[in-house]
Amino acid sequence: NAGVTQTPKFQVLKTGQSMTLQCAQDMNHEYMSWYRQDPGMGLRLIHYSVGAGITDQGEVPNGYNVSRSTTEDFPLRLLSAAPSQTSVYFCASSYSLAGGPYEQYFGPGTRLTVT
Amino acid sequence: KQEVTQIPAALSVPEGENLVLNCSFTDSAIYNLQWFRQDPGKGLTSLLLIQSSQREQTSGRLNASLDKSSGRSTLYIAASQPGDSATYLCAVKAQGGSEKLVFGKGTKLTVNP
Repeated sequence: NAGVTQTPKFQVLKTGQSMTLQCAQDMNHEYMSWYRQDPGMGLRLIHYSVGAGITDQGEVPNGYNVSRSTTEDFPLRLLSAAPSQTSVYFCASSYSLAGGPYEQYFGPGTRLTVT
Repeated sequence: KQEVTQIPAALSVPEGENLVLNCSFTDSAIYNLQWFRQDPGKGLTSLLLIQSSQREQTSGRLNASLDKSSGRSTLYIAASQPGDSATYLCAVKAQGGSEKLVFGKGTKLTVNP
């Protein structure tokens, strides 16, 4: 198992550009989510999905879009990058079975800088 | 709204010392609590997960306890080593179906040789 993978590892964008951060997992997890990590702010939830075709907003969703067409993939789209979106982005996944442990597994992160 | 606090924000200890990291949460209606380790520039590695019905979990030199009624968890590290230097994060998952995690801001641990 590769676990949770994220690409790219690093990215520099100019203000106004768009891009997609990729996340994939090979553990057949139903639940996937995106967090951003900023100094002094901790990790904050952007968007999450409880299964293919189902997504919902987290704490800081503005400026980001997601879709979930397959169980394995959960891409995060930045529509028009802003300097405030400079951050480290983490993707996570877990089982979503009733009564399950719901232990979450995280990817290695994508470091994004918007100039 | 659930809030998770970790104190202290940073801790420096000599090698070999036993130490305790603290995590507190405001809403006791949690499903589980998870401790993570994060090395500089890296992702999060799950260390221990405690279900709300459990009091503690152990893995090697690590022991995590949970007192749900008082809203507290501790991570005990025995015989600390320089390789334990990292940031330790705790996160809680609420009851009621949401799988969202609420994170503390972490404790940065430095173990000096």
